[in-house]
Amino acid sequence: KQEVTQIPAALSVPEGENLVLNCSFTDSAIYNLQWFRQDPGKGLTSLLLIQSSQREQTSGRLNASLDKSSGRSTLYIAASQPGDSATYLCAVSRIKAAGNKLTFGGGTRVLVKP
Amino acid sequence: DTGVSQDPRHKITKRGQNVTFRCDPISEHNRLYWYRQTLGQGPEFLTYFQNEAQLEKSRLLSDRFSAERPKGSFSTLEIQRTEQGDSAMYLCASSFPLDGRVRYGYTFGSGTRLTVV
Repeated sequence: KQEVTQIPAALSVPEGENLVLNCSFTDSAIYNLQWFRQDPGKGLTSLLLIQSSQREQTSGRLNASLDKSSGRSTLYIAASQPGDSATYLCAVSRIKAAGNKLTFGGGTRVLVKP
Repeated sequence: DTGVSQDPRHKITKRGQNVTFRCDPISEHNRLYWYRQTLGQGPEFLTYFQNEAQLEKSRLLSDRFSAERPKGSFSTLEIQRTEQGDSAMYLCASSFPLDGRVRYGYTFGSGTRLTVV
């Protein structure tokens, strides 16, 4: 059974500092990995999707890496801003034939202090 | 297209009552998923549809829960005889565009927050 872990569970940084969020998964037979952002009481917003054949994806200040063999992904957020304060969730999907359903980590709650 | 819509946003119900939630996916997507999220946890898979067929149900989905997707468009999730443990955020998502473009990312709705008192 796939298990996804995110460490740390919470993180507080001063504005301008780079953020590094970690995600690990136990079964390397993934189809893709997706990073989401969730604001309090809201739904999930997709940030980055990495296919299993890729090693990284970038979007603006966000960069996500994937090391499938070691079961790890890292989300980097450069030059953090107070608006980056949210919970960040990673999720992996198994092979396409398994419906592409997602297994989520518990999330990392980020606070960026002005 | 305005994304995935869920209704209602919030629902407070008394224990033992039945509730129904609705999800309208992105029209070009053929897969629709339901997830449940409790406070401080990541979402957990409940069930998914490909078009109108319900292809998988999680063991989390007890027989008090039923989901439908008539005609492969919107979906409903009904909980009968609600219990306090059903209090959670119920999230709907869609994926897999019908036009064949390879895009396997999910688009989530804003969720329905259920509180059972």
